Amino acid sequence: GQQVMQIPQYQHVQEGEDFTTYCNSSTTLSNIQWYKQRPGGHPVFLIQLVKSGEVKKQKRLTFQFGEAKKNSSLHITATQTTDVGTYFCAGRNTNAGKSTFGDGTTLTVKP
Amino acid sequence: NAGVTQTPKFQVLKTGQSMTLQCAQDMNHNSMYWYRQDPGMGLRLIYYSASEGTTDKGEVPNGYNVSRLNKREFSLRLESAAPSQTSVYFCASSPGPLTDTQYFGPGTRLTVL
Repeated sequence: GQQVMQIPQYQHVQEGEDFTTYCNSSTTLSNIQWYKQRPGGHPVFLIQLVKSGEVKKQKRLTFQFGEAKKNSSLHITATQTTDVGTYFCAGRNTNAGKSTFGDGTTLTVKP
Repeated sequence: NAGVTQTPKFQVLKTGQSMTLQCAQDMNHNSMYWYRQDPGMGLRLIYYSASEGTTDKGEVPNGYNVSRLNKREFSLRLESAAPSQTSVYFCASSPGPLTDTQYFGPGTRLTVL
């Protein structure tokens, strides 16, 4: 079945450092979504990317979709303690009826 | 709009007991999902319903049944609970078809003793 791999599994940073998580698929994706889950909370939708090479920004967060539509990244500039949580990507194979979630990257930020 | 609501928020069961987790959405979404999340782990899809009247198995369907009661409601039933089913259960919905943004409920924290 469709596999969506996410790396790294964990990332510990000092406040103010940058952070990047990567999402890779073995197959071409129709789209990819990113979600954030705060500790003890539920996943919350951040953004969806659809076009090859697409780049979108939300304040300090930059999302990219690869040219081949098989990978994506989320980059956070100058992390803050409010960025703590687990970031999930989810992608839909072009022939699939639903998206598949990656296992997530858990970010901790040391003040 | 309440979005996606789940009941109960917490539940403790004994091995062998049964229960139904309820989920409702008021966004007129077509697709609904049930996930489980074990401590420190990712989301694993149990069942999903692409549209009213249809249900399909996900990655980990064993020990569960679902009912898409109507467009708003999607319930998950544990017929004979086991300790391995201790987890947090999330319901989600998406507009569908081909609109994949999922909106999650707050979760049900289930412990099976």
